[in-house]
Amino acid sequence: KAGVTQTPRYLIKTRGQQVTLSCSPISGHRSVSWYQQTPGQGLQFLFEYFSETQRNKGNFPGRFSGRQFSNSRSEMNVSTLELGDSALYLCASSRDRDYGYTFGSGTRLTVV
Amino acid sequence: AQRVTQPEKLLSVFKGAPVELKCNYSYSGSPELFWYVQYSRQRLQLLLRHISRESIKGFTADLNKGETSFHLKKPFAQEEDSAMYYCALSGHNDMRFGAGTRLTVKP
Repeated sequence: KAGVTQTPRYLIKTRGQQVTLSCSPISGHRSVSWYQQTPGQGLQFLFEYFSETQRNKGNFPGRFSGRQFSNSRSEMNVSTLELGDSALYLCASSRDRDYGYTFGSGTRLTVV
Repeated sequence: AQRVTQPEKLLSVFKGAPVELKCNYSYSGSPELFWYVQYSRQRLQLLLRHISRESIKGFTADLNKGETSFHLKKPFAQEEDSAMYYCALSGHNDMRFGAGTRLTVKP
């Protein structure tokens, strides 16, 4: 079966712009979580969605937002980009978190 | 507070030697614990879950609630085990990851 698909793979944006990242989970997985990965901070939790509802949110500013659609696909949006937002953004899907995650390849965002 | 600690950022062993990657956690409840692995130029993937009590690629991990640890072990390391390993805890709010340990298995 198809894995977790994240698009685009790479993005370069300038400060102040906004960006939308997309994640298509494994078929049948209703839980989608997003993480920011950086060399200094490691994997930082952003959001968790389950059946279109945001179940949990990490400690990120309000510029970071997300949503999940009825087909379980998810998007995250970052507005007013800052240099510090440069990171690899990972999406993970699962039937439920306690089963463990399947990760996508990530979207590498560079803010210049 | 929900926390996962991997005390070693780097670990290097010779091929055929035993390897143990340490993971300690803090959590007020019954944790669901995991090990994830990321090989070079590959995506992060689930290695094993404590609840399954399984052995994957020769790796095992035992949950020790008294010591709040979930160390990953393999009796005979192979060069293909070289990777980044993350311990993770699924708690009330999220899946919390440790900082990771980079394992290098030397020939």
